Amino acid sequence: QTVVTQEPSLTVSPGGTVTLTCASSTGAVTRNYYPNWFQQKPGQAPRPLIYSTTNKHSWTPARFSGSLLGGKAALTLSGVQPEDEAEYYCLLYYGGVHLAFGGGTKLTVL
Amino acid sequence: QVQLQQSGPGLVKPSQTLSLTCAISGDSVSSNSAAWNWIRQSPSRGLEWLGRTYYRSQYYNDYGVSVRGRITFSPDTSKNQISLQLNFVTPEDTAVYYCARGPRPDYYSYFGMDVWGQGTTVIVSS
Repeated sequence: QTVVTQEPSLTVSPGGTVTLTCASSTGAVTRNYYPNWFQQKPGQAPRPLIYSTTNKHSWTPARFSGSLLGGKAALTLSGVQPEDEAEYYCLLYYGGVHLAFGGGTKLTVL
Repeated sequence: QVQLQQSGPGLVKPSQTLSLTCAISGDSVSSNSAAWNWIRQSPSRGLEWLGRTYYRSQYYNDYGVSVRGRITFSPDTSKNQISLQLNFVTPEDTAVYYCARGPRPDYYSYFGMDVWGQGTTVIVSS
């Protein structure tokens, strides 16, 4: 069974920069996994942020960026705002008929 | 503007069938680029992809490993909606269920899972 691993929790100061990562049990994450990133706040549906590694949706704030880093997918928040406190999830496409979400990273802005 | 409106019961008895629908507006269940996904979320299992249906000359259904054999998707072109049926439910199927628009496999680089329904909380209990 494929496992997608994220940091369980991270803390960042307002105005700071933080990078969340997304690893696959199958090996290095590449662009062929088309990594997606989502933000979720309590009681809400996941909100899409990034698709296909680096692409932003029209509503995605400029301070969010996606990349590949050391064999993982990465989401970097630069100039963190208090409203960025949320759970963040990655999604990887494994080709064929398989998609898998990561376990999520709880980001605290403190 | 694409919107997804979910409906279905919030309480299902063990061993029975869970049925949910997802009505699509602003796009088509027969879209040439989109796939219509079902995802659920629970504290114990996190976000779990259940599968998708999409049209490419014919309708295709892909099912997630965890529910394969118990789950069926059905597109309804007359109502422009998709439905989910999950058979023989147990308390472990208790979750918030979402439908979401995503890309067909040949469109992964063009857009993401970009529109989500409001979610339906389903409790499996007698």
